[in-house]
Amino acid sequence: GIQVEQSPPDLILQEGANSTLRCNFSDSVNNLQWFHQNPWGQLINLFYIPSGTKQNGRLSATTVATERYSLLYISSSQTTDSGVYFCAVVTSGSRLTFGEGTQLTVNP
Amino acid sequence: DAGVTQSPTHLIKTRGQQVTLRCSPISGHKSVSWYQQVLGQGPQFIFQYYEKEERGRGNFPDRFSARQFPNYSSELNVNALLLGDSALYLCASQTGIADTQYFGPGTRLTVL
Repeated sequence: GIQVEQSPPDLILQEGANSTLRCNFSDSVNNLQWFHQNPWGQLINLFYIPSGTKQNGRLSATTVATERYSLLYISSSQTTDSGVYFCAVVTSGSRLTFGEGTQLTVNP
Repeated sequence: DAGVTQSPTHLIKTRGQQVTLRCSPISGHKSVSWYQQVLGQGPQFIFQYYEKEERGRGNFPDRFSARQFPNYSSELNVNALLLGDSALYLCASQTGIADTQYFGPGTRLTVL
């Protein structure tokens, strides 16, 4: 099956810093989503982005499907951005295959 | 609009017992999927149901089963619980089979 690799596994930032999270996938995908999992376990949709670039406030994402990677940018980070960020892809049907996540900690 | 809801929030069972988890999708969504998330890992796909029919099954033993009701809500059943079944169980709903999936808050199952 498809492999999804996220980097870095852990990231510690000071409030106000910018960061880039990366997601590599091993095969062509029909769909790619980025999620933020808060400390209570809720998965929050950030982007549905099988290709191209999208922006939502301080967050933006870019997927280059031909090169099989996606990037999530967080600018001017805040303590509330802390949590685990997951990339998930769909190859056929609609089952999501998740990466192992990036644990982000933003310190005040 | 209400999001995906799941019940119960937390559950403690002992080995060998059976458990039923429940999920109500977002209004208008006809597809429900179930995922298992073990601590420190990404969620793993268990089942997908669309219009009350199973449309996909992940690599889980037959102890895991699910169903979808006419109102599109769903139940996940796990029999003969093992310690390794301890996890966060997540339900996701979507309008159609290829649309964005939206997740509920999860049920945290602890097997002792």
